[in-house]
Amino acid sequence: AQTVTQSQPEMSVQEAETVTLSCTYDTSESNYYLFWYKQPPSRQMILVIRQEAYKQQNATENRFSVNFQKAAKSFSLKISDSQLGDTAMYFCAFRALNGGSNYKLTFGKGTLLTVNP
Amino acid sequence: DTGVSQNPRHKITKRGQNVTFRCDPISEHNRLYWYRQTLGQGPEFLTYFQNEAQLEKSRLLSDRFSAERPKGSFSTLEIQRTEQGDSAMYLCASSLGSGNQPQHFGDGTRLSIL
Repeated sequence: AQTVTQSQPEMSVQEAETVTLSCTYDTSESNYYLFWYKQPPSRQMILVIRQEAYKQQNATENRFSVNFQKAAKSFSLKISDSQLGDTAMYFCAFRALNGGSNYKLTFGKGTLLTVNP
Repeated sequence: DTGVSQNPRHKITKRGQNVTFRCDPISEHNRLYWYRQTLGQGPEFLTYFQNEAQLEKSRLLSDRFSAERPKGSFSTLEIQRTEQGDSAMYLCASSLGSGNQPQHFGDGTRLSIL
């Protein structure tokens, strides 16, 4: 079974600054995906960024980038030039690529990020 | 692309009553998932459909829970004899069939048990 741990229940950042959210995971799988999802207050969860474990290059999507350390089983999210609209709960999630569980996501407990003006 | 649609958005009911939620996935998505999210927690997997076939049910899904996806289109999640512990946000997601496609989530149905 997989576990995902987000050790920061809450974080805050000033607008235009950079913030990093932490995520660690545990798995015996060798092929998998990692995701960061964003859930704004009372709004639907949307995918921010994803990383294939077999790719060494860290994924980047505009202001969002990840630091994927496979050996350490670490997957942090960096948000550059933070904007007020980035205020949300951020969830780290894992999905196996092969085997019987290659469809379901395993989520961490989330980190509530507040961007202050 | 209208996204994943869930109804109702909120449901308040008395303990012991039955409730049913509906999820309409993105039209071309053949995979559909239900998750449950309690306060302060991340979503937890409940069940998964590929087309009309329900391929897995989590042990979180007691016998009081049943899900269907007739004709591989919309899905319903029914909870019978609701209990206080059923209070949660129920999220539906859908995706295309290949393994590398991301899941798209609906707004969820928030269930409150009085």
